[in-house]
Amino acid sequence: GDSVTQMEGPVTLSEEAFLTINCTYTATGYPSLFWYVQYPGEGLQLLLKATKADDKGSNKGFEATYRKETTSFHLEKGSVQVSDSAVYFCALHSGGGADGLTFGKGTHLIIQP
Amino acid sequence: NAGVTQTPKFRVLKTGQSMTLLCAQDMNHEYMYWYRQDPGMGLRLIHYSVGEGTTAKGEVPDGYNVSRLKKQNFLLGLESAAPSQTSVYFCASSPDRVWAKYNEQFFGPGTRLTVL
Repeated sequence: GDSVTQMEGPVTLSEEAFLTINCTYTATGYPSLFWYVQYPGEGLQLLLKATKADDKGSNKGFEATYRKETTSFHLEKGSVQVSDSAVYFCALHSGGGADGLTFGKGTHLIIQP
Repeated sequence: NAGVTQTPKFRVLKTGQSMTLLCAQDMNHEYMYWYRQDPGMGLRLIHYSVGEGTTAKGEVPDGYNVSRLKKQNFLLGLESAAPSQTSVYFCASSPDRVWAKYNEQFFGPGTRLTVL
């Protein structure tokens, strides 16, 4: 079945550091890929998405590129801020079977001033 | 627009009790979903609905029932709660299948349920 693997946290960085959160996937066909962010006490919000190979999703300074050859969708940001502290979920939808998303376990990001 | 709302926000149950979680959306979305979030497990799909009057099982449906009598509401029921159902429950909605271009799932704020 479909699965998403992302790096375990917590990840602790200093403000203005470069961020990479790794995400790899296993899926049938050609899935759509997503990054969701969950701020403390809130529900999940879509951060960015990519629907086909080599697509780059971007939003709020975050970027991720759909790499079919390495089955990866790594999240990057050049300079993180304290306000980026949250839990980040990589997810996919393969279009078959149940219609919901398949999520990774989440990566807790902590940015220190 | 309120988006996706969930009622209640918190609840404590004793083993064997029943309860219903209510999800409401005001975006006229066709698709609605119930997920549970457990520490170190990410979110897992319980049930979903592709339109009014329809429901389908997700990854972890056992012990739960759902109903979609009105397009804007999606109810999740626990008939006999068990400690293993202690979790945070999230409802989501989307206008169409999530893989369609420009579609996304919109999430509610969650319900924290504890079963003693």
